[in-house]
Amino acid sequence: DTEVTQTPKHLVMGMTNKKSLKCEQHMGHRAMYWYKQKAKKPPELMFVYSYEKLSINESVPSRFSPECPNSSLLNLHLHALQPEDSALYLCASSLSGGLNTEAFFGQGTRLTVV
Amino acid sequence: KNEVEQSPQNLTAQEGEFITINCSYSVGISALHWLQQHPGGGIVSLFMLSSGKKKHGRLIATINIQEKHSSLHITASHPRDSAVYICAVRQLGGTASKLTFGTGTRLQVTL
Repeated sequence: DTEVTQTPKHLVMGMTNKKSLKCEQHMGHRAMYWYKQKAKKPPELMFVYSYEKLSINESVPSRFSPECPNSSLLNLHLHALQPEDSALYLCASSLSGGLNTEAFFGQGTRLTVV
Repeated sequence: KNEVEQSPQNLTAQEGEFITINCSYSVGISALHWLQQHPGGGIVSLFMLSSGKKKHGRLIATINIQEKHSSLHITASHPRDSAVYICAVRQLGGTASKLTFGTGTRLQVTL
């Protein structure tokens, strides 16, 4: 199994809603990542978890809250988002967070905030 | 100026043509990745390179560390190759987990 699975594929939420994005991998990878990608732009790193601990937070607003309940799962909890947060949210994983490790990406969740 | 530059930004080719996408970077790196992103979003890792050349099917990736340059070649291109191709690097001395992305090359292969 070389897949990173993200759910849901599409999500529409209001600015007062609370929702969560889910990411799962069963490759034994110990580093997991959240990226945000706006249209026609490269992905921007949001968070990195290494061995289930948050190792990088790229100054992401607190309305985005990551969680890594175990080594296979990564969640992104969303609350009080703004329309400008509409984007494709990509999850990735790698064997470790070290040098020269290949990253595997999920299909993404396309989020629309209305 | 971006640390990772790709050219061309957009590329249209006819089926069967040989395609080259270029990536230049201005920082020291430990590895360079070529990624493919189809419309709809998912990203597929094509190659990870730290030196030399790699081949997988019709795809060939090369890197010249001294010149800070990499190329992705597609032989006998096909419409299903239409996608955005992204070059990304892991910087030396930076956070090992971070990839620095180029802005991508949008490839359209027509019949």
